[in-house]
Amino acid sequence: RKEVEQDPGPFNVPEGATVAFNCTYSNSASQSFFWYRQDCRKEPKLLMSVYSSGNEDGRFTAQLNRASQYISLLIRDSKLSDSATYLCVVNNGAGSYQLTFGKGTKLSVIP
Amino acid sequence: DTEVTQTPKHLVMGMTNKKSLKCEQHMGHRAMYWYKQKAKKPPELMFVYSYEKLSINESVPSRFSPECPNSSLLNLHLHALQPEDSALYLCASSLGGTYNEQFFGPGTRLTVL
Repeated sequence: RKEVEQDPGPFNVPEGATVAFNCTYSNSASQSFFWYRQDCRKEPKLLMSVYSSGNEDGRFTAQLNRASQYISLLIRDSKLSDSATYLCVVNNGAGSYQLTFGKGTKLSVIP
Repeated sequence: DTEVTQTPKHLVMGMTNKKSLKCEQHMGHRAMYWYKQKAKKPPELMFVYSYEKLSINESVPSRFSPECPNSSLLNLHLHALQPEDSALYLCASSLGGTYNEQFFGPGTRLTVL
């Protein structure tokens, strides 16, 4: 069974804090890795694709460890607008259209 | 144009009604998807169209019938739904290729009475 496990939430952090989300996946054939954010009653929005070398986009840094089948997302200098549910998502293998979603971790950034 | 659009935003229907959900993208993406999402759960894949052909049907009941009239449009025809089918229905599209990032539309919030 293909699974994606994420940190249980919720995470309640003050503005300006650094917060890290972790995720593990069970399918060793997975080739593509993503973080999506989803606001309440809205669609998932692609936040970052996660590449083997790790990648950074402004305050957001994603890391991938294929050997440990582990993905992380670091958010620095948290803003109120970062409050959302963060979904760890992996594909089901090379060329696969199917994604496996984690259950999500809810982040609340508090003034 | 980097968005996926969906209509209607909200839909309320009875169990005997027939309705359709519509999805459109103009990003040149060749794969389009229908997902169903219940509250506090991740999206569940229903159907995948690749190059306008149905390539994946995740054992979805026949009361849901997808249609892909062309590479930019995707419909989901609904008939004789049950109250437990009430959910957010999300359309997504992707270009394909190695990473194949999927981009979601805003969804149709469906209530079946």
